[in-house]
Amino acid sequence: QQQVKQSPQSLIVQKGGISIINCAYENTAFDYFPWYQQFPGKGPALLIAIRPDVSEKKEGRFTISFNKSAKQFSLHIMDSQPGDSATYFCAAILTNFGNEKLTFGTGTRLTIIP
Amino acid sequence: SQTIHQWPATLVQPVGSPLSLECTVEGTSNPNLYWYRQAAGRGLQLLFYSVGIGQISSEVPQNLSASRPQDRQFILSSKKLLLSDSGFYLCAWSVGGTGSTSQYFGPGTRLTVT
Repeated sequence: QQQVKQSPQSLIVQKGGISIINCAYENTAFDYFPWYQQFPGKGPALLIAIRPDVSEKKEGRFTISFNKSAKQFSLHIMDSQPGDSATYFCAAILTNFGNEKLTFGTGTRLTIIP
Repeated sequence: SQTIHQWPATLVQPVGSPLSLECTVEGTSNPNLYWYRQAAGRGLQLLFYSVGIGQISSEVPQNLSASRPQDRQFILSSKKLLLSDSGFYLCAWSVGGTGSTSQYFGPGTRLTVT
């Protein structure tokens, strides 16, 4: 069964701190790992993504760390801001004849407190 | 640039009534299209995906159906709604063809079945 396990379920971080969300996957055939940010009542928005042949990718305050041997990857939000408060989903994609099936983690509700 | 539209934004329907949700994509050709459902406070469940006109694959058996009458139009339907059909319905698209790419989500439709 294709699964992506995400933790923690909820996270509270002080403004300026580092928010860390972890994901683990089982299927080694997954070949692309995006992260999505979702605000209440809105659709998920692509935040950052990484391929399994890269160990780290950074875009602004957001960094993905990827450990292929452990089948784990994580999102780090540096200098967390109240505007980062949202639900974050990790995902993994299995490409099959041109159709990319996204398997989502269960989500992490992040709250940044002043 | 590509944009994805969904309507209606919100919908309240009685049990047993029909359903039709529409999704259209602009700015791209031959996209892969997806329907997801998100229960309150939960992750996303893939319902249907389509790699071309008239080509629909179902991921979860249910009383919902999907159709793709045009290249950039995706419709989610039901003949008789159940209470359990309530949720947040999201349409997404990705670049067609082989390769690993991310999916881009629409704004969603909030469906409440009463």
